[in-house]
Amino acid sequence: GENVEQHPSTLSVQEGDSAVIKCTYSDSASNYFPWYKQELGKRPQLIIDIRSNVGEKKDQRIAVTLNKTAKHFSLHITETQPEDSAVYFCAATDYGGSQGNLIFGKGTKLSVKP
Amino acid sequence: DGGITQSPKYLFRKEGQNVTLSCEQNLNHDAMYWYRQDPGQGLRLIYYSQIVNDFQKGDIAEGYSVSREKKESFPLTVTSAQKNPTAFYLCASREVNSPLHFGNGTRLTVT
Repeated sequence: GENVEQHPSTLSVQEGDSAVIKCTYSDSASNYFPWYKQELGKRPQLIIDIRSNVGEKKDQRIAVTLNKTAKHFSLHITETQPEDSAVYFCAATDYGGSQGNLIFGKGTKLSVKP
Repeated sequence: DGGITQSPKYLFRKEGQNVTLSCEQNLNHDAMYWYRQDPGQGLRLIYYSQIVNDFQKGDIAEGYSVSREKKESFPLTVTSAQKNPTAFYLCASREVNSPLHFGNGTRLTVT
């Protein structure tokens, strides 16, 4: 089945700096890669996603890049703000083991210092 | 997301008791999921159902049970066989190759 590794587990940046979170996956059949943001005590919310036929997608300050050959994808946040502080999860579809279910990384706790 | 309702928000039980967590969705999604979240562990899949009257075990199904008698409902029972039941439980639903929509979660504490 799919295995998703996420790095780093914690990330601290100054307000205005950029933040990058990286994930690798193992299932070459994976074709959908969402990113979720979870604030303390709340549910995860989708912030951006990318499909395997696209190499990059951008939405204002957030972008995701996908390298299918290397099986990794990254989340880029530019001009970070204190409200970006949260835990971020990447995920990938698992066609080898669980019928296309999403498998999650263990999360990255991002802290943006004002 | 107003489309998925989990209740209650907080639940307290004594060790040895079974407890059922409710999950209802009005998004007309076929697939529903239960995840468990522990600090530093990410989201781990307990059970999932892709169609009414059918469900499959996820990665950590031991000590849990589910039912899917209606499309909109997917309750999770935490049994006394679950060794460490205290956790944050998230229900979700989706269509194939589409984003997961999460409920607000139930925080279960067993003492």
